[in-house]
Amino acid sequence: NFMLTQPHSVSESPGKTATISCTRSSGNIASTYVQWFQQRPGNSPSLIIFEDNQRPSGVPDRFSGSIDSSSNSASLTISGLKTEDEADYYCHAYDTNTLWVFGGGTKLTVL
Amino acid sequence: EVHLVESGGGLVQPGGSLRLSCAASGFTFSDTWLHWVRQTPGKGLEYVSRINADGGGITYADSVKGRFTISRDNAKNTVYLHMNTLRPEDTAVYYCARDPMHWGQGTLVTVSS
Repeated sequence: NFMLTQPHSVSESPGKTATISCTRSSGNIASTYVQWFQQRPGNSPSLIIFEDNQRPSGVPDRFSGSIDSSSNSASLTISGLKTEDEADYYCHAYDTNTLWVFGGGTKLTVL
Repeated sequence: EVHLVESGGGLVQPGGSLRLSCAASGFTFSDTWLHWVRQTPGKGLEYVSRINADGGGITYADSVKGRFTISRDNAKNTVYLHMNTLRPEDTAVYYCARDPMHWGQGTLVTVSS
């Protein structure tokens, strides 16, 4: 099986752009879709990106996802940062048996 | 609207057992795979188990294999996670999910003496 590695933390100022990476340890990042979750303290994970770059209804277009085969990684980009974006973010992908694999999570601080 | 409500969490001693339930509504339960995911305090998400629509296809994470059993009752729109031989490292919030979009609110399991 593979692992998804994320930075433990990312900090950025309000109004700026933050990017969170998610690197796949083996196998091609493009072989299965990548999802991204936002989790605020005390809440369940909330899907903000599915199928690499699609936003569920209600998710602002400040949130975008992409994949880069050259680095075998996915990225979540949040532009026009707001203090309310401060949360933990997790990437997710399916393995070959469609089991769920999660990244370790990234704590985004907006200050 | 999809609704998932977990219950059954609590404090249990190491070696003990617990049964979690997840009551579902808002979709055709008997057509759907269901999943359990856990989150240890202050840490990340770990996939625990899944069960297919008729209960004939089941998968477990290696960390719980042989100790946890997933089951479902399609007449009651409920999926269960039977947890035996619990260890302190099983302490976590346990979520059920229909798919990445739809999660329950979670139930806390604490394994401690």
